Amino acid sequence: SAVISQKPSRDICQRGTSLTIQCQVDSQVTMMFWYRQQPGQSLTLIATANQGSEATYESGFVIDKFPISRPNLTFSTLTVSNMSPEDSSIYLCSAGGGGAPNNEQFFGPGTRLTVL
Amino acid sequence: AQRVTQPEKLLSVFKGAPVELKCNYSYSGSPELFWYVQYSRQRLQLLLRHISRESIKGFTADLNKGETSFHLKKPFAQEEDSAMYYCALKGNNYGQNFVFGPGTRLSVLP
Repeated sequence: SAVISQKPSRDICQRGTSLTIQCQVDSQVTMMFWYRQQPGQSLTLIATANQGSEATYESGFVIDKFPISRPNLTFSTLTVSNMSPEDSSIYLCSAGGGGAPNNEQFFGPGTRLTVL
Repeated sequence: AQRVTQPEKLLSVFKGAPVELKCNYSYSGSPELFWYVQYSRQRLQLLLRHISRESIKGFTADLNKGETSFHLKKPFAQEEDSAMYYCALKGNNYGQNFVFGPGTRLSVLP
């Protein structure tokens, strides 16, 4: 299993600013992901954070808006850039779920972002 | 394309009653299906996976490929089962990501 922590747990930000969310896993993992969960909605995958290379973004998400770093196998960051109120959401980091069939995916506690 | 639907946004049952949370999927192949649960003020966690054919906290789910369904069932609901439940699908090719359903909020009434 993997234990995932995220910082900050919540933040209130002004429009036009940027926020970087950190995700730390207690063991080395191959796959790390970033999700967004908007109020009352399900999880939407933003991107796969690849170690040592550029992240793989899902349709509707771009690197300029959501730059991601993955410097090693236990750590990743997601930046929400030039924020607007529509970016208010819970951002979740997860790890695992790749490779062999039936790999479990573990989730962090989430970062609740409010943009004023 | 992978897709997961959960037709009920909210399901309320009385304690001791049977409960079934519906999940249907679309995938051109043999997917892996999971149920994740999120209790109040806790993180999302795996409840069960189809390949294990296990019963966790009294819950079971059977993959029905003919109906492309993976409904979650429990014969006697408990108040502590109240939570948000997400059905998730993962394609069976390496690197395919999870797709989550919209979720069903289960409320078990005393």
